[in-house]
Amino acid sequence: AQSVTQPDIHITVSEGASLELRCNYSYGATPYLFWYVQSPGQGLQLLLKYFSGDTLVQGIKGFEAEFKRSQSSFNLRKPSVHWSDAAEYFCAVGGQGGGFKTIFGAGTRLFVKA
Amino acid sequence: DTGVSQNPRHKITKRGQNVTFRCDPISEHNRLYWYRQTLGQGPEFLTYFQNEAQLEKSRLLSDRFSAERPKGSFSTLEIQRTEQGDSAMYLCASSSNPDENTGELFFGEGSRLTVL
Repeated sequence: AQSVTQPDIHITVSEGASLELRCNYSYGATPYLFWYVQSPGQGLQLLLKYFSGDTLVQGIKGFEAEFKRSQSSFNLRKPSVHWSDAAEYFCAVGGQGGGFKTIFGAGTRLFVKA
Repeated sequence: DTGVSQNPRHKITKRGQNVTFRCDPISEHNRLYWYRQTLGQGPEFLTYFQNEAQLEKSRLLSDRFSAERPKGSFSTLEIQRTEQGDSAMYLCASSSNPDENTGELFFGEGSRLTVL
């Protein structure tokens, strides 16, 4: 069965510092992998996605993620965090064919210190 | 605005009452999804439609829950005889033709249900 694990419930980083959010997945076939961000009172917004090709993918707002099949991981990174990045981040896995029954992790809440 | 629209945004009800939420997807999207999100958790899949056909329902969707998408456009999610455990954010998402998309879901802002 599909599953997604985000080991860190919350992370605090200083503004300007680098960020890495961890994600591990379990999926029986080639996964489609996603990172979404949710700000308070708002819906989820897609940051980036991976489904084939280059294992390092670039997203919006300066985020990137690297797919490592051998580790079943899809960690999200940003070299320099801005205060506006404070939000909840969700890793998700979906099936080939797109969008079918996407499964989400429990999320990591990011706090940014001034 | 042509994003996914959900209403009402907030609903407070007493235990045992029925509630209905509506979702209007992006107009050209033929797939529509319902998720439930509780505090501290990620969205949990409830059900999805392709056009008017409901193709899968999660075990989370008890007999008290029913979802419809009668004309393949908007969808409704009804919860009968609400229980306190139904308190959650109900999220709707849509996506485009599966032959064309790579899985991105477009979410509405959600409908928050509080059962007293």
